[in-house]
Amino acid sequence: GENVEQHPSTLSVQEGDSAVIKCTYSDSASNYFPWYKQELGKGPQLIIDIRSNVGEKKDQRIAVTLNKTAKHFSLHITETQPEDSAVYFCAAPANAGGTSYGKLTFGQGTILTVHP
Amino acid sequence: GAVVSQHPSWVICKSGTSVKIECRSLDFQATTMFWYRQFPKQSLMLMATSNEGSKATYEQGVEKDKFLINHASLTLSTLTVTSAHPEDSSFYICSAAPEETQYFGPGTRLLVL
Repeated sequence: GENVEQHPSTLSVQEGDSAVIKCTYSDSASNYFPWYKQELGKGPQLIIDIRSNVGEKKDQRIAVTLNKTAKHFSLHITETQPEDSAVYFCAAPANAGGTSYGKLTFGQGTILTVHP
Repeated sequence: GAVVSQHPSWVICKSGTSVKIECRSLDFQATTMFWYRQFPKQSLMLMATSNEGSKATYEQGVEKDKFLINHASLTLSTLTVTSAHPEDSSFYICSAAPEETQYFGPGTRLLVL
């Protein structure tokens, strides 16, 4: 099965700075990589995802990059704001090409704190 | 779009009672739903995969007789914690997947006294 490693576990930035969170995965057949934001006491919310046929995807202040050769993908948040403070999880298919369609393996999470 | 609801949002119950949690996809049909458990400051722990009209697939170490899952329709899955004990207290989250993307519910906080 897939193994996903996420770093750093905590990240503290000043408002306006950029934040980068990186994940590595083990299964070269994985082709779908979502990122989720989880605020305290709430369920995770999908913020962006990328498929293996592209190397980068942007949505306003959020971008995700994918390096299939190195098997890693990163979340980039620019011009951070205090409301970006949350826990961020990356994920990859738990069994790409197998029978567990839709099942994901999650990273350990990154606690992002944006200081005003 | 892609809204998933959970009910109740929080529940307190006595030890030995059973608790049912509902997960609904409001604006799409989900062939697959997932149930997770999350401990404070930890990642999501998958408990089981639920497919409409068939038995749920439980992850290793999850007691299927303890955590009963029913996926009666393409928009509703339920998780019943039977004979709940204090160690079952946790944050339970469902997700619904119309395809490969999972959309999560807001979670249910269970406290067993």
